Amino acid sequence: SYVVTQPASVSVAPGTTARITCEGDKIGSKSVHWYQQKPGQAPVLVISYDVDRPSGIPERFSGSNSGRTATLIITRVEAGDEADYYCQVWHPISDHWVFGGGTHLTVL
Amino acid sequence: EGELVESGGGLIQPGGSLRLSCAASGFTFSDYNMFWVRQGPGKGLEWVSFISKSGSPIYYADSVKGRFIISRDNGESSLHLQMNSLRGDDTAVYYCVRNGPSGPTDSFDVWGQGTKVTVSS
Repeated sequence: SYVVTQPASVSVAPGTTARITCEGDKIGSKSVHWYQQKPGQAPVLVISYDVDRPSGIPERFSGSNSGRTATLIITRVEAGDEADYYCQVWHPISDHWVFGGGTHLTVL
Repeated sequence: EGELVESGGGLIQPGGSLRLSCAASGFTFSDYNMFWVRQGPGKGLEWVSFISKSGSPIYYADSVKGRFIISRDNGESSLHLQMNSLRGDDTAVYYCVRNGPSGPTDSFDVWGQGTKVTVSS
């Protein structure tokens, strides 16, 4: 089965840039989606197809995907960005949808 | 954009059955594939089941295959999950989720608020 790996936690100071990675075999050839989940709430899509921002998502959120690593990039981090972030891909060989284990972003 | 509202969760004994439902509104339900996604206490997200817009094909995660049955009623704009032979590791919040319009490679673009299932004696 296909596995994607995220760091358990990332910590940054307010106003700086957070980078959350998602690693997997040839993930650069797949479409990666990112979700934000705050405590007690349902996940929210923040980036689709590696780089696309849904309406209502701030421009501070962006993404990249190449080789073995997809990255969610949050610039000018704010306290309200503190949350769990999950990457997700579709693995066509098994017709399975795969989530990373999630990364908790702490804003110091 | 659309709204999804789950119901049917609760406390159930191991080995029991439960049926979850999801009411969709604000979009043409029959135009979208749908999923159930779950999240165990303190854990990450886990895809559970997929059903295409027409009702076929259907896919299940290995962890629930043979025990859970997904179905939909496009006339009623509703999604269901029949859960049988429940085990402790099925304890989770279950989310009803819409697949983006481009199909399986697309994102999970609309999520319900979730319904909690607790399997315990």
